[in-house]
Amino acid sequence: GESVGLHLPTLSVQEGDNSIINCAYSNSASDYFIWYKQESGKGPQFIIDIRSNMDKRQGQRVTVLLNKTVKHLSLQIAATQPGDSAVYFCAENLGNAGNMLTFGGGTRLMVKP
Amino acid sequence: NAGVTQTPKFQVLKTGQSMTLQCAQDMNHEYMSWYRQDPGMGLRLIHYSVGAGITDQGEVPNGYNVSRSTTEDFPLRLLSAAPSQTSVYFCASSYWTLQGFGNTIYFGEGSWLTVV
Repeated sequence: GESVGLHLPTLSVQEGDNSIINCAYSNSASDYFIWYKQESGKGPQFIIDIRSNMDKRQGQRVTVLLNKTVKHLSLQIAATQPGDSAVYFCAENLGNAGNMLTFGGGTRLMVKP
Repeated sequence: NAGVTQTPKFQVLKTGQSMTLQCAQDMNHEYMSWYRQDPGMGLRLIHYSVGAGITDQGEVPNGYNVSRSTTEDFPLRLLSAAPSQTSVYFCASSYWTLQGFGNTIYFGEGSWLTVV
């Protein structure tokens, strides 16, 4: 079936650098995407979301870019900090019913001091 | 306001045993769902509910039952545990807004289940 996936399983960056985490999706009908951060032993934590009628959305130190032509999402983290070390997932809304989500496989971000 | 509470945190079962993972939320959210997360993978939807008395299957429902007799509670039952059900289970609740629901989804802390 169609699913959301990620290109890189692990990303290692230097503290202070910018990080870019990528995600490819295959369902062209998807209209809502969410990025989550998951720290070890914890549940997913909302970072930022974007609708398909947008191509960019900014939050605090984070930016999500959506390229519908190539079905690609990216999460940009500015001035990466040690506290950003975690696994990051993109998720796709399956429909109109609340919180039905399809998750990608995850990218581990490691921040080197 | 406790958010989403899952119990137990850790459980070891023998193959063939049954058990119930409890999930409760005190935010009066309409939507609740159960996900499982296998090592190194994203979450997969097991079952979900859009309101009391209404449940439906997600991506991986086999071997699990749910019920939603109240708005607050959404228990997940393993009928006859198998080693393939060894996983971390997350319960989530949310409400819908016109702006989307991403930041309204609250996940529990997870329940670690091992089936031997």
